Amino acid sequence: SAVISQKPSRDICQRGTSLTIQCQVDSQVTMMFWYRQQPGQSLTLIATANQGSEATYESGFVIDKFPISRPNLTFSTLTVSNMSPEDSSIYLCSVEGTSLGMDLTDTQYFGPGTRLTVL
Amino acid sequence: AQSVTQLDSHVSVSEGTPVLLRCNYSSSYSPSLFWYVQHPNKGLQLLLKYTSAATLVKGINGFEAEFKKSETSFHLTKPSAHMSDAAEYFCVVSDRASGGSYIPTFGRGTSLIVHP
Repeated sequence: SAVISQKPSRDICQRGTSLTIQCQVDSQVTMMFWYRQQPGQSLTLIATANQGSEATYESGFVIDKFPISRPNLTFSTLTVSNMSPEDSSIYLCSVEGTSLGMDLTDTQYFGPGTRLTVL
Repeated sequence: AQSVTQLDSHVSVSEGTPVLLRCNYSSSYSPSLFWYVQHPNKGLQLLLKYTSAATLVKGINGFEAEFKKSETSFHLTKPSAHMSDAAEYFCVVSDRASGGSYIPTFGRGTSLIVHP
């Protein structure tokens, strides 16, 4: 099965700074997804990133706060800008199974997550 | 529109006893349903998926789930809990949104606690 990796695995940042999280997939995929999981909460979709087009953001998330890049079919970045303690969360990227050539269509496969703490 | 409700935020069992994690869903279409597990400080791992081929779905680690359309439920069970099952479990519903892509909706999660 495909491997999805994220960097960094965790970080502690000062408020007002920005952090860029990287997601790498070892096969080419069309759609990549970014999620936020706040402490003790479920996952919330931030945006969908398609290669060659602007990311599509969900309600409550804006590009200025969470800019996303998708330079090729195996890589994406999510930046958390001008951070505040409320941004402390786990950030996860995922890809859809059909993109990985797997039999499980419409199934999301997740990276290990990036645990962010903002002081 | 789709939604999913996990009826229990915490479930506590003794090792060797059965596990039941409850999930109800709503969907405008014929949905796909999933259970994911998240161990502490780990990413999400797919346990099992329902796609309409069979109402009883077997997953990894001895877990299974039964799809009951009349009850709009997709409860997760395991006959005998193991200490390593202690984790957060998420029920997920996904149907094809406009534009053809599947965007999943996650339940709030159920924390499974296993006592020795």
